[in-house]
Amino acid sequence: GQQVMQIPQYQHVQEGEDFTTYCNSSTTLSNIQWYKQRPGGHPVFLIQLVKSGEVKKQKRLTFQFGEAKKNSSLHITATQTTDVGTYFCAGGRDSNYQLIWGAGTKLIIKP
Amino acid sequence: DGGITQSPKYLFRKEGQNVTLSCEQNLNHDAMYWYRQDPGQGLRLIYYSQIVNDFQKGDIAEGYSVSREKKESFPLTVTSAQKNPTAFYLCASSSPRLTGGGRQPQHFGDGTRLSIL
Repeated sequence: GQQVMQIPQYQHVQEGEDFTTYCNSSTTLSNIQWYKQRPGGHPVFLIQLVKSGEVKKQKRLTFQFGEAKKNSSLHITATQTTDVGTYFCAGGRDSNYQLIWGAGTKLIIKP
Repeated sequence: DGGITQSPKYLFRKEGQNVTLSCEQNLNHDAMYWYRQDPGQGLRLIYYSQIVNDFQKGDIAEGYSVSREKKESFPLTVTSAQKNPTAFYLCASSSPRLTGGGRQPQHFGDGTRLSIL
């Protein structure tokens, strides 16, 4: 079946360093959504990308959707303690309203 | 405030017991979803419903059942057939309306943590 692979599983960074997570789908996606889950919380929607090659920015966060609509990335510049959590990508299927979820990348700030 | 309410926050199940997790939304969303999340893992879809009185199995439906008698409610029953029910259960809803070719985002409740006694 359709899968979305997300790497890395964890990333440890010093505060102020950059962070990147990557998602790769086995099939073409109609869209991709990104969510953030704080420790002990629930996923919260960040953004959606729909167009081939689309790039969107939210302050220090940059989201990209690949030209083939099979891969996506989230890059955080100069991480802060408030960025801690797990970032999930979720690909949309054309046929229904389900999302195919990546396993998430946990951002950990080194003390 | 509009949102999704899940209850209870914590639930304990005894051997052979069925338990029901509640999910109510006042967002007027047509679609509702149940996910299971295991520690350090992503979200796995159990069941989803796009309209009242209709629901579809997700990737891990065995041992679970749902109903959708009202638009705002989508309860999940964890049956005794589910041998490893300990997990964090998340309910979500979304509007089916398309936005420029995409999908409306899913809104989540605070979750229910289920453990075996």
